[in-house]
Amino acid sequence: DADVTQTPRNRITKTGKRIMLECSQTKGHDRMYWYRQDPGLGLRLIYYSFDVKDINKGEISDGYSVSRQAQAKFSLSLESAIPNQTALYFCATSDSPGWSTDTQYFGPGTRLTVL
Amino acid sequence: DAKTTQPPSMDCAEGRAANLPCNHSTISGNEYVYWYRQIHSQGPQYIIHGLKNNETNEMASLIITEDRKSSTLILPHATLRDTAVYYCIVRVATDSSYKLIFGSGTRLLVRP
Repeated sequence: DADVTQTPRNRITKTGKRIMLECSQTKGHDRMYWYRQDPGLGLRLIYYSFDVKDINKGEISDGYSVSRQAQAKFSLSLESAIPNQTALYFCATSDSPGWSTDTQYFGPGTRLTVL
Repeated sequence: DAKTTQPPSMDCAEGRAANLPCNHSTISGNEYVYWYRQIHSQGPQYIIHGLKNNETNEMASLIITEDRKSSTLILPHATLRDTAVYYCIVRVATDSSYKLIFGSGTRLLVRP
């Protein structure tokens, strides 16, 4: 979805380097999410944010940190990258859910390789 | 952990209906079932969701059994562009809201 953009789209880095992945959205959504996907597996939630002042850990937050700079921007950082963080990373957004709906819109992904 | 179980792969012929099953036997009464799909390594795309009634939209139909322990996503006339990994997801409650827990999905291959 072009309304959710991620930069960079591809990145190769070395063990121990600090890496930041950025996500921007023009959908005006309050909620933003970071997922990682490993080959042959589904998506696992790293962090999520329900508004600028709200940050929550997901299932696999160790080794990652996030920053919600504004409603439209949510960054994921790897302070000291390691090879098992090699994965495809997705950002997603959603509007505040009603009781019955909470559709998430995903960005195109960032392919990160840690050597 | 994912609360759903799906077959790892399926195939169907172009123009025919594709019926993708999903088991969610531990689903709670207020948890919704969502379906997303992922084409190649693109970002997942929302398809449909439901609670207990059958649902239909322009993309697909969702049939949920009366006991809510399983559901079926139906693509009525599959095309080659429907080849993708399809995720059946139960939306679970957190302390303050909800989140989606993705499983491994079903890889659907639509044959010419």
